Amino acid sequence: QVQLVQSGAEVKKPGASVKVSCKVSGYTLTELSMHWVRQAPGKGLEWMGGFDPEDGETIYAQKFQGRVTMTEDTSTDTAYMELSSLRSEDTAVYYCATDSGGWYLFDYWGQGTLVTVSS
Amino acid sequence: QSALTQPPSASGSPGQSVTISCTGTSSDVGGYNYVSWYQQHPGKAPKLMIYEVSKRPSGVPDRFSGSKSGNTASLTVSGLQAEDEADYYCSSYAGSNNPRVVFGGGTKLTVL
Repeated sequence: QVQLVQSGAEVKKPGASVKVSCKVSGYTLTELSMHWVRQAPGKGLEWMGGFDPEDGETIYAQKFQGRVTMTEDTSTDTAYMELSSLRSEDTAVYYCATDSGGWYLFDYWGQGTLVTVSS
Repeated sequence: QSALTQPPSASGSPGQSVTISCTGTSSDVGGYNYVSWYQQHPGKAPKLMIYEVSKRPSGVPDRFSGSKSGNTASLTVSGLQAEDEADYYCSSYAGSNNPRVVFGGGTKLTVL
């Protein structure tokens, strides 16, 4: 059973960066395809990017390209998502989620990390 | 504007059946049998309920079923129970397009 535990809530000023972590247990990070999905307050789900095993690389949603970086530390089984040049519209809950099937179905989710961008 | 279109709300009485639709295009829902459905209770993370159009992960009650016709996928909840009240989101693989996966805007299911 995969468990994903994310870092705590963050408050950032516009223009700053935020880095959210996602600690994996039950499996090793190398066995999983990790993705990041966000949800603005009262809004729907939005895929930000993740590892595509067919391509063998991390794919970022076009909307976030140039602003987002997803990395992994396999020594600690921890995944990271860093979003830069934050603006108020980036206020959201950010989730890490795993894709076991390889077809962008997300079977395990972290508890979510609220990032608030406010001056 | 979400890529997939869902009705904002649906409702039914306990024991009844409710069907939620999810309409996309031939580039996503109509092009692949990789439609998923997620249940989300307030303040909680989404939970996978259906994958590959109609398959249920272990532990998901068989009251939940999925289907697809053309560019429209559907989630049916039979024998509604109070705990089924939640938001439901569909998603679809979109091939080599970007984004690779698209979501619906969500449907609030109310058990009357």
